[in-house]
Amino acid sequence: AQSVTQLDSQVPVFEEAPVELRCNYSSSVSVYLFWYVQYPNQGLQLLLKYLSGSTLVKGINGFEAEFNKSQTSFHLRKPSVHISDTAEYFCAVSGSTGGFKTIFGAGTRLFVKA
Amino acid sequence: DSGVTQTPKHLITATGQRVTLRCSPRSGDLSVYWYQQSLDQGLQFLIQYYNGEERAKGNILERFSAQQFPDLHSELNLSSLELGDSALYFCASSSTSGSSYEQYFGPGTRLTVT
Repeated sequence: AQSVTQLDSQVPVFEEAPVELRCNYSSSVSVYLFWYVQYPNQGLQLLLKYLSGSTLVKGINGFEAEFNKSQTSFHLRKPSVHISDTAEYFCAVSGSTGGFKTIFGAGTRLFVKA
Repeated sequence: DSGVTQTPKHLITATGQRVTLRCSPRSGDLSVYWYQQSLDQGLQFLIQYYNGEERAKGNILERFSAQQFPDLHSELNLSSLELGDSALYFCASSSTSGSSYEQYFGPGTRLTVT
């Protein structure tokens, strides 16, 4: 079984500052990892995903994430945030062998201040 | 716009009642997923259907049931409603049943049980 822990429930940051949203996972099998974003009153949309290969994954809106197998982490980063990045961010994991479930973390609310 | 539609957008009903939530996946997507999002439980996977067949089950209560029809739309039926069932219910779709594939989320149905 897989599980996901998002270490921060809220992250306030000033506009144009860098941000890192932390995600740790546990799994007994190889995993696929995802970051989704949910803007207010909307459904989730995919930011980026890691399936295999390069551990640094680039996504939309200037976000990137690094897969670290030894630390079982998949932290999301952006070098300079905008007010429009204010949203809830979800890390998700699914197993690469057997099973079809995707498990979502509890979410991190990013609040960008002017 | 993800291409996934959900109706209704809002639903207010009383305890003990039964409701049906409807989801139309993106054109060509065969998999449909249902999630429940609440403040205390976060985003919980309920159930997945692939081309009309149940594929995976999550934390779905026995009072809840779902099905996917030949035209691939899906319905989530919630019965004997309790106050705790108040939540945002999301439908998502993907092209296949594999866990590596991106899920496209609908805008959600907000259910309020009074």
